[in-house]
Amino acid sequence: EDKVVQSPLSLVVHEGDTVTLNCSYEVTNFRSLLWYKQEKKAPTFLFMLTSSGIEKKSGRLSSILDKKELFSILNITATQTGDSAIYLCAVESTGEETSGSRLTFGEGTQLTVNP
Amino acid sequence: GAGVSQSPRYKVAKRGQDVALRCDPISGHVSLFWYQQALGQGPEFLTYFQNEAQLDKSGLPSDRFFAERPEGSVSTLKIQRTQQEDSAVYLCASSLAWGGVQYFGPGTRLTVT
Repeated sequence: EDKVVQSPLSLVVHEGDTVTLNCSYEVTNFRSLLWYKQEKKAPTFLFMLTSSGIEKKSGRLSSILDKKELFSILNITATQTGDSAIYLCAVESTGEETSGSRLTFGEGTQLTVNP
Repeated sequence: GAGVSQSPRYKVAKRGQDVALRCDPISGHVSLFWYQQALGQGPEFLTYFQNEAQLDKSGLPSDRFFAERPEGSVSTLKIQRTQQEDSAVYLCASSLAWGGVQYFGPGTRLTVT
């Protein structure tokens, strides 16, 4: 059974701090790993990672994938109160008996940034 | 459209009632997915469509759950004889092609009393 584990589950920091969120996975037929940010609405897409060792960056956020060790990290530098949200890690895999694909999500990391 | 839309945003049903949840994907997106998100958990896969074909329904928790996408665009998730354990947020996502980034709608929060 496909499995995605995120840590920590909860994190409280002060504005300006740097945080690192972790995601480890065990899936068959891996295609990609995605990070989403979820506030009180739809998960919004942050990054899609398919290759090891290539860092993706968007402003203060960056992420990298290690396909050998089966994990990914999401870094947020100079955190702001608007970064407070649940960060979801998901792994895309293909079904063995179908031509479809699906996302398997971790529980998420609840990040709270205090002023 | 600008994004994935879902309706209703909130639904309260009495145990035993049938409900229908609607998803309008981003225009032109071939793939459509339904997920169920319980409180404090990550979303869990329910079913996947490629155009009008339902290619994977292995995540549907029981035969009370049924999904369709008859014209390859709008999709409906139907739950018959709702039970309290069906209470959750139901998320719809679409992607341009197989294996592309999935973009999520705001979800329908279903509460079964």
